[in-house]
Amino acid sequence: DAGITQSPRHKVTETGTPVTLRCHQTENHRYMYWYRQDPGHGLRLIHYSYGVKDTDKGEVSDGYSVSRSKTEDFLLTLESATSSQTSVYFCAISESGLFAAGANVLTFGAGSRLTVL
Amino acid sequence: DQQVKQNSPSLSVQEGRISILNCDYTNSMFDYFLWYKKYPAEGPTFLISISSIKDKNEDGRFTVFLNKSAKHLSLHIVPSQPGDSAVYFCAASGGNQFYFGTGTSLTVIP
Repeated sequence: DAGITQSPRHKVTETGTPVTLRCHQTENHRYMYWYRQDPGHGLRLIHYSYGVKDTDKGEVSDGYSVSRSKTEDFLLTLESATSSQTSVYFCAISESGLFAAGANVLTFGAGSRLTVL
Repeated sequence: DQQVKQNSPSLSVQEGRISILNCDYTNSMFDYFLWYKKYPAEGPTFLISISSIKDKNEDGRFTVFLNKSAKHLSLHIVPSQPGDSAVYFCAASGGNQFYFGTGTSLTVIP
């Protein structure tokens, strides 16, 4: 997966517990993203980062927080997991957030399947 | 509101024939479009892209067509192979974000 590692790959947790998913990259890319994939919704952006300590919200950010203290690591935290957050979570990276030049695409990790009971 | 739509959840095609996957978008400011392919238990992988200044881009068996006036793009796979069986997502870029469709599951029947 082109130097992207997600952990854990599978997790089952209970409602109300905190959960942290980790994304680690070895590509030294500036941009990192967290998406969730759900049936009927495709891939939806949760949060993204455009540099160390620089993050912004995506379209489904409620209930999630992120942190990026190093270029290579981007953490997604569910402070108090709910059943609606059962999903497959994908981390992605890109060299740049400016796509007009056409040279930059998203490279995805293998995904983390989270089940909240 | 879904800014990128794939109205066909699934498609079945015989091996050797053409597969045509369709995608519609609503935002005329999108300037770049991409197709991703996803196998089960794996992350999506980039397949092919097209800039809004072009109407066609070809890469081997894969061709993407863009009709800006109709806000429509399509992916043609010729000839289709069993290994092409996967979920295909179209995506559009605007600023620092991508917007994805809901995916079309393609099954190529040997």
